[in-house]
Amino acid sequence: AQKVTQAQTEISVVEKEDVTLDCVYETRDTTYYLFWYKQPPSGELVFLIRRNSFDEQNEISGRYSWNFQKSTSSFNFTITASQVVDSAVYFCALIPNSGGYQKVTFGTGTKLQVIP
Amino acid sequence: DSGVTQTPKHLITATGQRVTLRCSPRSGDLSVYWYQQSLDQGLQFLIQYYNGEERAKGNILERFSAQQFPDLHSELNLSSLELGDSALYFCASSAAPQYEQYFGPGTRLTVT
Repeated sequence: AQKVTQAQTEISVVEKEDVTLDCVYETRDTTYYLFWYKQPPSGELVFLIRRNSFDEQNEISGRYSWNFQKSTSSFNFTITASQVVDSAVYFCALIPNSGGYQKVTFGTGTKLQVIP
Repeated sequence: DSGVTQTPKHLITATGQRVTLRCSPRSGDLSVYWYQQSLDQGLQFLIQYYNGEERAKGNILERFSAQQFPDLHSELNLSSLELGDSALYFCASSAAPQYEQYFGPGTRLTVT
């Protein structure tokens, strides 16, 4: 069985602060894919990043960065110098690559509120 | 705009009724996914299709069924509706099962 845990239900930060959203996963598969999605108040989910289990390099995209650590089964997401537009619910997700079975598992989401 | 379309945007119906939600994936995407999002349940994966075949099943009730047609659009059928089925239903598509998903705007279903 696989599981994705986002222990932080809600986070509030003041604009320009840095914030890290945690994601811890469990899977028996050696090959898998991890994702982050953003759901702003408008409701539509937006893809942010995809990472495969063989690539542990951290990634930076503007103010966003991701820290993938296989040793701790974590794929954390950091927003630097947060802005009000970052206010959203963020979901972490896992897809295994085990033959034909590729059920996606989403975490419960972390609601981020950036206060101006 | 993700390129995934869903119709209708809103649906209000009574308990016991049956509804059909429709999804058109992004051009070229072969995988289609259905999700249910309610306030107290988060984002629940229902079912996945790839090129017309069912690939994975999540927490989909027996009252619910789906299919993907040869033109790759998909329909989610919800029958014997209950108040608890009121939720936002999302469709997503991807090029292949391990790739990122692009979500439609959702269909908000209200069962009265």
